[in-house]
Amino acid sequence: DAGVIQSPRHEVTEMGQEVTLRCKPISGHDYLFWYRQTMMRGLELLIYFNNNVPIDDSGMPEDRFSAKMPNASFSTLKIQPSEPRDSAVYFCASSLGRTGTRSTDTQYFGPGTRLTVL
Amino acid sequence: GQQVMQIPQYQHVQEGEDFTTYCNSSTTLSNIQWYKQRPGGHPVFLIQLVKSGEVKKQKRLTFQFGEAKKNSSLHITATQTTDVGTYFCASFNTNAGKSTFGDGTTLTVKP
Repeated sequence: DAGVIQSPRHEVTEMGQEVTLRCKPISGHDYLFWYRQTMMRGLELLIYFNNNVPIDDSGMPEDRFSAKMPNASFSTLKIQPSEPRDSAVYFCASSLGRTGTRSTDTQYFGPGTRLTVL
Repeated sequence: GQQVMQIPQYQHVQEGEDFTTYCNSSTTLSNIQWYKQRPGGHPVFLIQLVKSGEVKKQKRLTFQFGEAKKNSSLHITATQTTDVGTYFCASFNTNAGKSTFGDGTTLTVKP
């Protein structure tokens, strides 16, 4: 398996522009997570999906952020309009889900998208 | 919700020295997971502990889960330069379906 795939790997944009980050989870995984990592705030969970349905979006900073999962193999995180304080590394992770075995809790992270908003 | 605190935030050691990072919670945890993130990389799952007092080893790494399931530790014996990175503990909430991550301990190893 190729693992979790994220694109783009790097994104540089100007303040006010729309940014779309993409994620392809591991095939068969029921859970998908979006995280943001900064030096100041560490690793923050933004939102997660179970079977394509958003379960908890309490970590989404504000209305400028939105996430979708139109099918089991694709998710997007959109920032519109972007601001310099959104600069961070955004990780997507997936996990198999709750099937009664311990290993299903393991989260597999993608390589991340490094976003710079000027 | 479950909160996990990690100490220390940073640790600098000489190659060959031991290293320990601690993870603490005010509430009983159902499990504890440990991840490693290399500089410029992404978190990679190392291990999960679920039983009270559980101890697991991976080569030079020893993981412990406290008897009360409120704390955990990761100990590295005789550190090597390949051990550099940030070590995160996380607790997976089975009901909520998500993990809560600690702030991580960043280890640097001087050759």
